Amino acid sequence: GIQVEQSPPDLILQEGANSTLRCNFSDSVNNLQWFHQNPWGQLINLFYIPSGTKQNGRLSATTVATERYSLLYISSSQTTDSGVYFCAVADRGSTLGRLYFGRGTQLTVWP
Amino acid sequence: DAGITQSPRHKVTETGTPVTLRCHQTENHRYMYWYRQDPGHGLRLIHYSYGVKDTDKGEVSDGYSVSRSKTEDFLLTLESATSSQTSVYFCAIGLGTGNQPQHFGDGTRLSIL
Repeated sequence: GIQVEQSPPDLILQEGANSTLRCNFSDSVNNLQWFHQNPWGQLINLFYIPSGTKQNGRLSATTVATERYSLLYISSSQTTDSGVYFCAVADRGSTLGRLYFGRGTQLTVWP
Repeated sequence: DAGITQSPRHKVTETGTPVTLRCHQTENHRYMYWYRQDPGHGLRLIHYSYGVKDTDKGEVSDGYSVSRSKTEDFLLTLESATSSQTSVYFCAIGLGTGNQPQHFGDGTRLSIL
């Protein structure tokens, strides 16, 4: 299956700081999603972004499919942003949504 | 709210016993997925379904079976549970066609002693 690498594995920030999370993948994709797992274990879909750029409030994401990476930007971090951020992809030949997940970036935001 | 309910939310059982986890959705989505989450591995796909009675294997399907006899329910069965199947299990639905956003249930924490 397709390999997904996320960096950094851990990130510690003070409230108000900005951050960039990276997702590299090993093959062409037609499906890329970013998820946030909160401290209670719930997984929330942040973005469906196989290519291009999207923004949602303080969060934005960019996928450069030709170079096989995606970036998640978090601006003006808040303590509620803490948790694990996962990137997941499906390879270009898949039409059934078979996602491969990275191991995640653990984000801790201190007040 | 994507209308996904997983049951039970927590379960403790013994090695060798059968276990069935249920995922119920209220919005008639065609695609449903079962994942497991383990430390150091992220989430891995176990099985998925693309319609009633249409299922297929994912990355880590050994030791698991699934059934989908109606659109709203997707069952995951461990025929004879082993300690290596201790994990958190998540169900997800795919909105629309296969390559669309997935939304997750709240998970089932399963411990096999």
